[in-house]
Amino acid sequence: SQWGEENLQALSIQEGEDVTMNCSYKTYTTVVHWYRQDSGRGPALIILIRSNEREKRSGRLRATLDTSSQSSSLSITAAQCEDTAVYFCATASSSFSKLVFGQGTSLSVVP
Amino acid sequence: DPKIIQKPKYLVAVTGSEKILICEQYLGHNAMYWYRQSAKKPLEFMFSYSYQKLMDNQTASSRFQPQSSKKNHLDLQITALKPDDSATYFCASSQDCQGNYAEQFFGPGTRLTVL
Repeated sequence: SQWGEENLQALSIQEGEDVTMNCSYKTYTTVVHWYRQDSGRGPALIILIRSNEREKRSGRLRATLDTSSQSSSLSITAAQCEDTAVYFCATASSSFSKLVFGQGTSLSVVP
Repeated sequence: DPKIIQKPKYLVAVTGSEKILICEQYLGHNAMYWYRQSAKKPLEFMFSYSYQKLMDNQTASSRFQPQSSKKNHLDLQITALKPDDSATYFCASSQDCQGNYAEQFFGPGTRLTVL
């Protein structure tokens, strides 16, 4: 889980495997953003899930949101080497779209 | 072509000096932001601007001053630099500043090292 952890989490999987990253957030939110950051680049939004969507899919990505437990997950099916990146969940404060990011999960997909 | 330009990409400064980080966005957005990412912390929100007006400031120190000379510019002036200021600073923008669903687009960042 990204929140509450002191350090960036690291996962290493083989190509073709499935992987799930979890995120628990502390304050009430109606949306969770999942961002991906490649080495040396800024974060980029990959999927956004709202409180009225328990699940959202985009290609090989699947995000879930459970507002009762204040948690979200991001799954990647059949991971590929190009999925290697750091993945962050973020909640948006109602105050002028301030994004609050989790610590992130560094995913490494090896051949 | 890059839609959000940050200059410089790398910056080395000495303690006590002053630097300006440049950000320009060509997405036609009305809201711009600054975030900081240091080695052992997650991305931290610093400022948000909408139509060149400061909307939110989560930076405790007045040494960090955003400057918006044009709608698509939001520079960050940092004075009296300290080694703890070493981090990568990201500029971001979104169509507007209201609501929780606005996608924010991030620039490539400026990596600042203070010696």
